[in-house]
Amino acid sequence: DSGVTQTPKHLITATGQRVTLRCSPRSGDLSVYWYQQSLDQGLQFLIQYYNGEERAKGNILERFSAQQFPDLHSELNLSSLELGDSALYFCASSHDRNYGYTFGSGTRLTVV
Amino acid sequence: AQSVTQLGSHVSVSEGALVLLRCNYSSSVPPYLFWYVQYPNQGLQLLLKYTTGATLVKGINGFEAEFKKSETSFHLTKPSAHMSDAAEYFCAVTTHGNKLVFGAGTILRVKS
Repeated sequence: DSGVTQTPKHLITATGQRVTLRCSPRSGDLSVYWYQQSLDQGLQFLIQYYNGEERAKGNILERFSAQQFPDLHSELNLSSLELGDSALYFCASSHDRNYGYTFGSGTRLTVV
Repeated sequence: AQSVTQLGSHVSVSEGALVLLRCNYSSSVPPYLFWYVQYPNQGLQLLLKYTTGATLVKGINGFEAEFKKSETSFHLTKPSAHMSDAAEYFCAVTTHGNKLVFGAGTILRVKS
């Protein structure tokens, strides 16, 4: 157990739908990062939050959004889903980004 | 901006043989470097990291890596491969204030 909890582990949904992925960071970590992992794109950084505020944005589509709540858990919202959104979505947390991230076990999203 | 190149998307070694996974980075400022391992259907686990100080760093499961500034490299090695080392390995780089950038990954196969 890495200390970073992601739910659900698996999600199957239809095109056009909206889903919410949840992440609880490791105790004491203020930063939360979201990554998408797919066969063709590899590990792509989506977005970072630090203590409730957005800190950095990567290759995140406009259909995707995220937030970090006062208790530091984070949610990634994916809407108007397309087949190409099928991927593993990882959340990671860190106390200091320069000392590496701790990853959750991921949410496998399948869009059918 | 930083970037990482992992040479060889697939590496195959015999059990007991030396493991060498290559990573070269690009960074205009001193980097922090990491190796992560991902087993099938799992998240990423930190193997080792270089931040400052000693350039030869030891990690978990008998792995080590050496930071060579002149060669902009951070190759991962293990003297003797074990079947349980079969996994995908990711090199990553960050600099102060920036996100973690991952290489494309190297799948290690260990033959008996």
